[in-house]
Amino acid sequence: NAGVTQTPKFQVLKTGQSMTLQCAQDMNHEYMSWYRQDPGMGLRLIHYSVGAGITDQGEVPNGYNVSRSTTEDFPLRLLSAAPSQTSVYFCASSYSRGVFYGYTFGSGTRLTVV
Amino acid sequence: TQLLEQSPQFLSIQEGENLTVYCNSSSVFSSLQWYRQEPGEGPVLLVTVVTGGEVKKLKRLTFQFGDARKDSSLHITAAQPGDTGLYLCAGGDGNEKLTFGTGTRLTIIP
Repeated sequence: NAGVTQTPKFQVLKTGQSMTLQCAQDMNHEYMSWYRQDPGMGLRLIHYSVGAGITDQGEVPNGYNVSRSTTEDFPLRLLSAAPSQTSVYFCASSYSRGVFYGYTFGSGTRLTVV
Repeated sequence: TQLLEQSPQFLSIQEGENLTVYCNSSSVFSSLQWYRQEPGEGPVLLVTVVTGGEVKKLKRLTFQFGDARKDSSLHITAAQPGDTGLYLCAGGDGNEKLTFGTGTRLTIIP
């Protein structure tokens, strides 16, 4: 099925470890973004990309890196995991058409840092 | 930073009742969206409104964008257990970046 695919679904890391959360979409969407969702705080934007080779920071970028080498893939890298990064991470994509028609979200990665 | 406040934070009502959820901000948005999220899944887009005063209906759900484009409401008529979920509003600032509200967790009791 077409959509946004995130892997892994669940992950436990030790403090200081690094890892990459994978995100891929097959809808030829130009715009992709990463959000984290924490209880009582809604969804907060980490990084986003308006096309291949172009990325920018969102509201909470510290401790995360991204790259966009292809239209389809937008991985999120945690450089040195900290307990404060325990969260549910969502990748989302959309067309970039001027009038914004909304995101398609992946099903999320639940990350626990111990 | 633009903020979106949703109220109520939690709502539990009986099947068949009507309800309204509110989304308010001091900032003007170029568009306003509503999403519904179920446990273990990502949010799913319900509607996008882009014109002040716009009203959109999706079966038993009615969405309204405030005249000043700073607020929105979601009204559900004759709620059903399938309406249970986390409802999120999100404001757009003219590009694809969205500011999300804190959410309303709705439970419909059969």
